[in-house]
Amino acid sequence: GAGVSQSPSNKVTEKGKDVELRCDPISGHTALYWYRQRLGQGLEFLIYFQGNSAPDKSGLPSDRFSAERTGESVSTLTIQRTQQEDSAVYLCASSRARSNEQFFGPGTRLTVL
Amino acid sequence: QKEVEQDPGPLSVPEGAIVSLNCTYSNSAFQYFMWYRQYSRKGPELLMYTYSSGNKEDGRFTAQVDKSSKYISLFIRDSQPSDSATYLCASPGGGADGLTFGKGTHLIIQP
Repeated sequence: GAGVSQSPSNKVTEKGKDVELRCDPISGHTALYWYRQRLGQGLEFLIYFQGNSAPDKSGLPSDRFSAERTGESVSTLTIQRTQQEDSAVYLCASSRARSNEQFFGPGTRLTVL
Repeated sequence: QKEVEQDPGPLSVPEGAIVSLNCTYSNSAFQYFMWYRQYSRKGPELLMYTYSSGNKEDGRFTAQVDKSSKYISLFIRDSQPSDSATYLCASPGGGADGLTFGKGTHLIIQP
């Protein structure tokens, strides 16, 4: 079956611009996660959705970051006024309700010039 | 101290060798452990998922957990060049809803 998909696969933007990253989870997966992977670093957890609810947004790096999810499907991660330190691969994962087995998408490689 | 520590490598071994990849963790709340494999410019792929102490085997892969020493290992038998990737250990818990990852070990299998 189809896995987690993310778009765009690559995004190059100028400092100060806003970007929107999209994630389509596996059908039937109610839980959705966003992570950030900086060069040479491990994955950094950003936010978790159960359905369209995000109970804890404290993992988002700053108030320039926001995320939303429509029902139990598509999620978008928005970064406003991008900075060079936002350059990273942004990974989305999904799982069945609170299962520990998370399945990842291919990621969006964001480069802020 | 990071909650999950891994040697970043690179670890280079000849084809056919047994590979040992290791992680240590500091948070006693960690009960479940995963190993992910990540090829270059791809998302992580779940390889193994363990809960209890002891060994879990799946084909050429064996995951080992020693909770008394907070040490987890992944063994790869009969290693292949296609096993060349970054291997990430992870655990849920630690106060967040997501997984806590190590930085990953870059493995190179030489043909």
